[in-house]
Amino acid sequence: IAGITQAPTSQILAAGRRMTLRCTQDMRHNAMYWYRQDLGLGLRLIHYSNTAGTTGKGEVPDGYSVSRANTDDFPLTLASAVPSQTSVYFCASSDSLAGGQDTQYFGPGTRLTVL
Amino acid sequence: GQQVMQIPQYQHVQEGEDFTTYCNSSTTLSNIQWYKQRPGGHPVFLIQLVKSGEVKKQKRLTFQFGEAKKNSSLHITATQTTDVGTYFCAGRPGGSYIPTFGRGTSLIVHP
Repeated sequence: IAGITQAPTSQILAAGRRMTLRCTQDMRHNAMYWYRQDLGLGLRLIHYSNTAGTTGKGEVPDGYSVSRANTDDFPLTLASAVPSQTSVYFCASSDSLAGGQDTQYFGPGTRLTVL
Repeated sequence: GQQVMQIPQYQHVQEGEDFTTYCNSSTTLSNIQWYKQRPGGHPVFLIQLVKSGEVKKQKRLTFQFGEAKKNSSLHITATQTTDVGTYFCAGRPGGSYIPTFGRGTSLIVHP
């Protein structure tokens, strides 16, 4: 693994189904983020984690949950998917939320379609 | 809602023309970062500005941070087709630890 990876690359999901998007980084970064990207709306923060064991809500957290059991992994779960959650999801990490080390490194993204 | 406003949303230019995108915040930003996303790709970090009035250059790209640390701009001189993509700014308004992204400016370069 080099950098930050996401799985799956793409997924088509029936409404009402549960789905977990996976994100793993090997840079030992403390902070991790989940964004969704929709046309014309840019990148909107869903949840973030300052360090392992802590999480926080971003701009659009409803319908999503996260966990941060260790430094490397930051899965995003949709408990019961709805069509409005159709989007491209990016995971990102940074060395720290504070100071000058908050350059974010993005994964390749997961394209999710909810029907 | 969005606390970092970015304009324009789209910009079409002929190859060789200049391009500028602007970011504005209602509150002072502790720093501002710029990212580029190629079509079908993911955002990639370009640069970070921290100081009031700071200007940084990367070849044909010039980045500025306003004196009041509330606005920033990215200027590309003599655009090339390789400049195509969406440019995002990301700043931390009001002392928040969480960076807020602008909605991005999509640059389309016509050969």
